[in-house]
Amino acid sequence: GAGVSQSPSNKVTEKGKDVELRCDPISGHTALYWYRQSLGQGLEFLIYFQGNSAPDKSGLPSDRFSAERTGGSVSTLTIQRTQQEDSAVYLCASSLGAGGVQPQHFGDGTRLSIL
Amino acid sequence: SQQGEEDPQALSIQEGENATMNCSYKTSINNLQWYRQNSGRGLVHLILIRSNEREKHSGRLRVTLDTSKKSSSLLITASRAADTASYFCPESSAGSYQLTFGKGTKLSVIP
Repeated sequence: GAGVSQSPSNKVTEKGKDVELRCDPISGHTALYWYRQSLGQGLEFLIYFQGNSAPDKSGLPSDRFSAERTGGSVSTLTIQRTQQEDSAVYLCASSLGAGGVQPQHFGDGTRLSIL
Repeated sequence: SQQGEEDPQALSIQEGENATMNCSYKTSINNLQWYRQNSGRGLVHLILIRSNEREKHSGRLRVTLDTSKKSSSLLITASRAADTASYFCPESSAGSYQLTFGKGTKLSVIP
């Protein structure tokens, strides 16, 4: 069955470049989350989309980070002017509804390395 | 910060043994979820226990919840090498959609 799909699976780029990460959630899931996971750490919440509501951007670490979700489905996370501290695995998850009561389904992430 | 805290940080056992991991949280919850993360992969939802439940089973997994102590435990019976992974119990405050993750328990099952 189709799970959450993320692309690319790996991305290596030079400091200062912009990167765009893509997430295809499970069809019919209205909630979509982005997380960041640094080596050996737990997940850090970045942003949450629920249906047509305004996204919760409270976890974005700086204004270099932005995300959008077009048509309530595919989402892209954009990091501008990348820094070395942006190196991490970026995970996307989706759920049927509010994540606090619904299990979240995760993609395998994009491993981002900033040289 | 509010997050489910897993204990121990690392656990190494022989295949066939049982593994017990603990979780403490700080807020009032509607439910508590456990997730597994295999190396290099995303997280997989294992089990959800509601705040009015004390124990729940799923296959070789047994989860307990003590809301008076704000703690939960995950027991994996008859462990297998494939159970080697990190296990998380993210905290979700009542009325909130956010899951707040700790660093997890890294379980190693030695064949």
